[in-house]
Amino acid sequence: AQSVTQLGSHVSVSEGALVLLRCNYSSSVPPYLFWYVQYPNQGLQLLLKYTSAATLVKGINGFEAEFKKSETSFHLTKPSAHMSDAAEYFCAVSEWGGYQKVTFGIGTKLQVIP
Amino acid sequence: GAVVSQHPSWVICKSGTSVKIECRSLDFQATTMFWYRQFPKQSLMLMATSNEGSKATYEQGVEKDKFLINHASLTLSTLTVTSAHPEDSSFYICSASPSLRAGGAGANVLTFGAGSRLTVL
Repeated sequence: AQSVTQLGSHVSVSEGALVLLRCNYSSSVPPYLFWYVQYPNQGLQLLLKYTSAATLVKGINGFEAEFKKSETSFHLTKPSAHMSDAAEYFCAVSEWGGYQKVTFGIGTKLQVIP
Repeated sequence: GAVVSQHPSWVICKSGTSVKIECRSLDFQATTMFWYRQFPKQSLMLMATSNEGSKATYEQGVEKDKFLINHASLTLSTLTVTSAHPEDSSFYICSASPSLRAGGAGANVLTFGAGSRLTVL
């Protein structure tokens, strides 16, 4: 079975500060990992994905995440927060390449303080 | 890129009525689509896997007679909430992925629709 744990349902950062959203996963096979962003009343947009290639994955909007097998983690970071980054972020895991069943974490709401 | 369209975006209905939500893959064919439900301030929970030309596969705890899924073509899946009640009010999101192509399994990722917010009065 696969699962994802996101630490911190709410994270607040100042504009320009580092963004760090934590995600730990559990999977019985080498996982595919994803970060999605959701703006209010909208669907999910893919930020980035890990598919067993490079462990440091760069995504859209300046976000990146690093896959650490020893820590079973896939934390999302961005060097400098922007007001437009305020949204809900979901970490997700799939044992099927991401084109099949995906299991989501509970989500982390990011607040950016001006 | 792959685009998934959902309709309607918002729907309000009376208790006891049925509501149909459509999910379309606009520029690709999808043999499989997925329906998720999201309660306020919670994550997405997979409800069912919709398979073109066959019966949907429901997750444990999801009433198949309550949430009817039809995947009649390679670009359209519908979710019908039958005899809706206020507790069915939620945000319903569908997703789909193009069929496997060059690049392997990791090259394909689910694309999500914008969601449909259902409010049952």
